[in-house]
Amino acid sequence: DTAVSQTPKYLVTQMGNDKSIKCEQNLGHDTMYWYKQDSKKFLKIMFSYNNKELIINETVPNRFSPKSPDKAHLNLHINSLELGDSAVYFCASSQGSRGHFFGPGTRLTVL
Amino acid sequence: AQSVSQHNHHVILSEAASLELGCNYSYGGTVNLFWYVQYPGQHLQLLLKYFSGDPLVKGIKGFEAEFIKSKFSFNLRKPSVQWSDTAEYFCAVTPVYSSASKIIFGSGTRLSIRP
Repeated sequence: DTAVSQTPKYLVTQMGNDKSIKCEQNLGHDTMYWYKQDSKKFLKIMFSYNNKELIINETVPNRFSPKSPDKAHLNLHINSLELGDSAVYFCASSQGSRGHFFGPGTRLTVL
Repeated sequence: AQSVSQHNHHVILSEAASLELGCNYSYGGTVNLFWYVQYPGQHLQLLLKYFSGDPLVKGIKGFEAEFIKSKFSFNLRKPSVQWSDTAEYFCAVTPVYSSASKIIFGSGTRLSIRP
């Protein structure tokens, strides 16, 4: 069974469009995250939710809006996509400080 | 500020060579330590972790890491690498008593194994 799943796996879109990425975890974890990995493989945390409440919001443009309908889901909506948004976006979940479980990633390409 | 340093950005080895990847962190309190591996085109997977107890921890695929508290280090080792170990390796730290459950990643070390 997949622990952390993301859809879609690939997303190719034009500049200016709005798109969403969905994430679900079936581990019963309380905390979920969104990370952005750039072309140099650097991982940057974007958001963290604990029991549906936003607890970490790094310096991310407000075009990015996370939504957590319940503690098993954390979706990421991106408005007015820009070229610089092209990256791989990873969802992750954790329970306490015992390490993250990562999703398979969504490769976003903005043309 | 909390940080994790991986000084080797790209390591190139031949098969059967021994591996050691450095990881140092800066945080004054108690931490949990992790190594993650990312194979080409794939997501991050947990390689090994240290919470407490024996500072020498063994992970999957023959990897091990040693926590040296006095040096704030958690270096990853493998006695004999294989071509399939080609991947990106990330060291990470979580402050144990942080309410934010924040994990801090190093910048990663790319490992290339020559067949």
